[in-house]
Amino acid sequence: DTVLTQSPALAVSPGERVTISCRASESVSTGMHWYQQKPGQQPKLLIYGASNLESGVPARFSGSGSGTDFTLTIDPVEADDTATYFCQQSWNEYTFGAGTKLELK
Amino acid sequence: QVQLKESGPGLVQPSETLSLTCTVSGFSLTSYSVSWVRQPSGKGPEWMGRMWYDGDTAYNSALKSRLSISRDTSKNQVFLKMNSLQTDDTGTYYCTRDDGLTTTVNWFAYWGQGTLVTVSS
Repeated sequence: DTVLTQSPALAVSPGERVTISCRASESVSTGMHWYQQKPGQQPKLLIYGASNLESGVPARFSGSGSGTDFTLTIDPVEADDTATYFCQQSWNEYTFGAGTKLELK
Repeated sequence: QVQLKESGPGLVQPSETLSLTCTVSGFSLTSYSVSWVRQPSGKGPEWMGRMWYDGDTAYNSALKSRLSISRDTSKNQVFLKMNSLQTDDTGTYYCTRDDGLTTTVNWFAYWGQGTLVTVSS
């Protein structure tokens, strides 16, 4: 299985720029996607194909990377962005990361 | 609009079989694939398997021996059956619509609200 590794947690102040990383154990090309999940809700797609913004998602969110290293950037961070962010790869079967919990200071 | 809704028992006894139904609207099961994804509390999601738009199926290799996915296109429903449940199968079970460019660049744009399944005696 392709293992996706994410940092467990980050804390930033509103208005700052935050980068959330996801490293794959083997190349997934551009088959990487990002989701936001708030407590008690289903995941919400933010970015697909590594860098494509899902319709309706604010342009503050962006994605980059290919191969094994990927980044989700939020700039600027707003209070409503408090959530857990998951990466998911679709290149080698389908796996998800364990999530990065974003907290605001 | 696209909607998916999971239904099924909230409590299952250990060693028994879980049966869930996903009822969809706003799209055709013969045009889009539907996946099942589960998530233990406080952990990352796990893809379980897929009903392809053409009626074929694909399963997570770790669950393949216990899992079966089927559909009834006339009722717009996709079904999941998983046997030999244990306590670590407890979690929220979602059905999702698959969207993508190819079989290797494929994402989950639409999710049901999820149904909590607890495995306990």
